[in-house]
Amino acid sequence: GENVEQHPSTLSVQEGDSAVIKCTYSDSASNYFPWYKQELGKRPQLIIDIRSNVGEKKDQRIAVTLNKTAKHFSLHITETQPEDSDVYFCAASPMYSGGGADGLTFGKGTHLIIQP
Amino acid sequence: EAQVTQNPRYLITVTGKKLTVTCSQNMNHEYMSWYRQDPGLGLRQIYYSMNVEVTDKGDVPEGYKVSRKEKRNFPLILESPSPNQTSLYFCASSLGSGGQETQYFGPGTRLLVL
Repeated sequence: GENVEQHPSTLSVQEGDSAVIKCTYSDSASNYFPWYKQELGKRPQLIIDIRSNVGEKKDQRIAVTLNKTAKHFSLHITETQPEDSDVYFCAASPMYSGGGADGLTFGKGTHLIIQP
Repeated sequence: EAQVTQNPRYLITVTGKKLTVTCSQNMNHEYMSWYRQDPGLGLRQIYYSMNVEVTDKGDVPEGYKVSRKEKRNFPLILESPSPNQTSLYFCASSLGSGGQETQYFGPGTRLLVL
């Protein structure tokens, strides 16, 4: 099955600086890569996703890049704000030639801390 | 309001006492899934369902059962709970059968098995 590694486990940045979280995956059949944000004790919520037919996607201060050859993808947050402090999860989902998907495999999460 | 609901939200039980956590969605989603979340381990998929009567194992299915008799409901059954099943459980659903669309998560169920 798919294996997703996420780094770092904790990231502390100064308010206004950029933050980058990186993930690698193992299954070359993976073609869908979402990022979720989770407040402590609350449900995860999707913030951005990317599919394998594009290399980059942006949404205001958030961007995701994908390198299929190297099997890694990254989340970039620019001009960080205190409300960006949360736990972020990457995930990958393979789609096989028969059309069946195999669900989402999540990374272990990154606790992002924005220092005022 | 479009949502995924789970019940109960909190549950304390004892080893071996069968329990069911219900999950329901009102968005007519085909795909539903159960995850458990443990500190330092992230979210791990237990079971998922592509559609009614179609279920499959995720990464950590041991000790769990599911059923999908109706499109909107996807209960998680612990036939004989053990302390290592103490965890935070999330149900999720998404449009499309492959799970490759936005997954909407329920509010979570905190389970403590004594």
